[in-house]
Amino acid sequence: QITLKESGPTLVKPSQTLTLTCTFSGFSLSTSGVAVAWIRQPPGQALEWLALIYWDDDKRYSPSLESRLIITKDSSKNQVVLTMTNMDPVDTGTYFCAHSVRRLLDFWGQGALVTVSS
Amino acid sequence: DIQMTQSPSTLSASVGDRVTITCRASQNVGYWLAWYQQKPGKAPKLLIYKTSSLQSGVPSRFSGRGSGTEFTLTINSLQPDDIATYYCQQYNSYSWTFGQGTKVEIK
Repeated sequence: QITLKESGPTLVKPSQTLTLTCTFSGFSLSTSGVAVAWIRQPPGQALEWLALIYWDDDKRYSPSLESRLIITKDSSKNQVVLTMTNMDPVDTGTYFCAHSVRRLLDFWGQGALVTVSS
Repeated sequence: DIQMTQSPSTLSASVGDRVTITCRASQNVGYWLAWYQQKPGKAPKLLIYKTSSLQSGVPSRFSGRGSGTEFTLTINSLQPDDIATYYCQQYNSYSWTFGQGTKVEIK
């Protein structure tokens, strides 16, 4: 059974750095073809793909946010960490992590709401 | 980025109706198109991948078709449990992009 759970601060101040952790079970990020992605959703708005890390440490980022994002993995701890710098109120929203194989987002975490406000 | 445009934004239909949602891509994405269902306060759920393949456990009243730049999601015989927002997503090329969503309501 694949499960993922996002954790991190619920409130960050503008210009601060956000660090979110995705802790997963039921699969290994050392297995060929497996990846973990981050997706976000501002309140009442659409989904936006942010970043992806593969089992072999290949990383992909949204071009519009690439300069602010870093994605890393710790396969031994079953965790993927997303760092987003220079947070702004428009970055407020729910951040999801998801399991991916064959480029499909087939299992999702419950999401973590992050509010950016002073 | 490839832009994904869904229509309509909101759809109101009766239980038992057949409903169709359209998704258009700004560039050719081949067959690399997925559909997700999202209920309020929940994570999205993968319904269909590679345009028309049904994810395991998804009811057969959901179907998808299309190719290139135009795709559709059809729900045959709308059920109360289908009330949700539906998103298309292209995964032909990075960055992956989603449509703006179609909210399905019961009339």
